[in-house]
Amino acid sequence: GAVVSQHPSWVICKSGTSVKIECRSLDFQATTMFWYRQFPKQSLMLMATSNEGSKATYEQGVEKDKFLINHASLTLSTLTVTSAHPEDSSFYICSAMRGVRGYYNSPLHFGNGTRLTVT
Amino acid sequence: GDSVTQMEGPVTLSEEAFLTINCTYTATGYPSLFWYVQYPGEGLQLLLKATKADDKGSNKGFEATYRKETTSFHLEKGSVQVSDSAVYFCALNRLPNDYKLSFGAGTTVTVRA
Repeated sequence: GAVVSQHPSWVICKSGTSVKIECRSLDFQATTMFWYRQFPKQSLMLMATSNEGSKATYEQGVEKDKFLINHASLTLSTLTVTSAHPEDSSFYICSAMRGVRGYYNSPLHFGNGTRLTVT
Repeated sequence: GDSVTQMEGPVTLSEEAFLTINCTYTATGYPSLFWYVQYPGEGLQLLLKATKADDKGSNKGFEATYRKETTSFHLEKGSVQVSDSAVYFCALNRLPNDYKLSFGAGTTVTVRA
């Protein structure tokens, strides 16, 4: 069964509003989670690395004030798309690392993804 | 920077057909290579991996060989089933303990009975 739960699976919002996406590790503690975005027919792109208890690390070109990441507990990371615009419409996927960062065999578990449509 | 290019889909096959999904990569150093699969309604899950040149990853009848000379990691299965219908993603990471994966765009495979 799923070990990472992502919610909601799809959301439609109006331009200018904010949307929060949750990523939960269900049966393990995840000190590190990752957020990806995929535009139609394009690659999954890493947006940021979410670290429990500290600030997220954003990839180049990703606006940290636009995509707020909070990893307040060992089982929950949230991505908030602030003041959403139609160009933010995309498929967002989270993943959580089971185990200790730096230990190679720690597996990654992915959520089912969230389809965001901004009208 | 690192990148992965995989064949565009969608791919539609009949049961028991042979499946190949091409994947090539661009990377510095010696990346590890992965194939992930996403079944309908589920999250991505690791299908197989290879960590060095000439390694062959295999799982569920799928195979892929790490070819450094051609910078490729093509996925193959000799006889597909309807249950193999999914989206397949090729990916790499640069370092063994670096979980920042670079993904391809994904290839949708539909197997018809």
